[in-house]
Amino acid sequence: DAGITQSPRYKITETGRQVTLMCHQTWSHSYMFWYRQDLGHGLRLIYYSAAADITDKGEVPDGYVVSRSKTENFPLTLESATRSQTSVYFCASSELAGQSLSPVYNSPLHFGNGTRLTVT
Amino acid sequence: QQQVKQSPQSLIVQKGGISIINCAYENTAFDYFPWYQQFPGKGPALLIAIRPDVSEKKEGRFTISFNKSAKQFSLHIMDSQPGDSATYFCAATRAGKSTFGDGTTLTVKP
Repeated sequence: DAGITQSPRYKITETGRQVTLMCHQTWSHSYMFWYRQDLGHGLRLIYYSAAADITDKGEVPDGYVVSRSKTENFPLTLESATRSQTSVYFCASSELAGQSLSPVYNSPLHFGNGTRLTVT
Repeated sequence: QQQVKQSPQSLIVQKGGISIINCAYENTAFDYFPWYQQFPGKGPALLIAIRPDVSEKKEGRFTISFNKSAKQFSLHIMDSQPGDSATYFCAATRAGKSTFGDGTTLTVKP
């Protein structure tokens, strides 16, 4: 089925370890995003990508690294995990709507089912 | 500085009642205002969305009211059902990036 697949669904890691969360989408959407969800903070943007090889920081990028060599994949790496990075991570994608129009209009986000990461 | 403020944090409604969730934003450059619904263990999913040139949008039992001058928008769920029990997020979007409210947990009692 088409959609966004995140893996793993659950991950427990130790402080200081490197961990990579995977995200794969089958829609060929231009935009991809990583959000973290914490109680009391809603969804906060970590990084986003407008196309392959184009990435940019969001609201809370410190301690994270992303890459996007192919349109369909957008992995998120925690270089040295900390307890404060315990969270639920959501990957999302959206198409760039109205490319032939001016101005460009936004389109909705399509989310995966998340990865619950625990850093001990 | 929180750019999108959502209230209430939690809401309990009787079956058949009206659920109302409010959001306020600060940046007038936002140009797309979606609402997402999230069930436990799932990612948020688009429920309904509105653009700032429209004051109201209705889809079935769900209505967005938008007040551009007050920089506020709200979600109304008519005839609320137990199946509507979920967490609801408002968002404000600009240039493809969305800023979310903190969410409202809705419980509809049968």
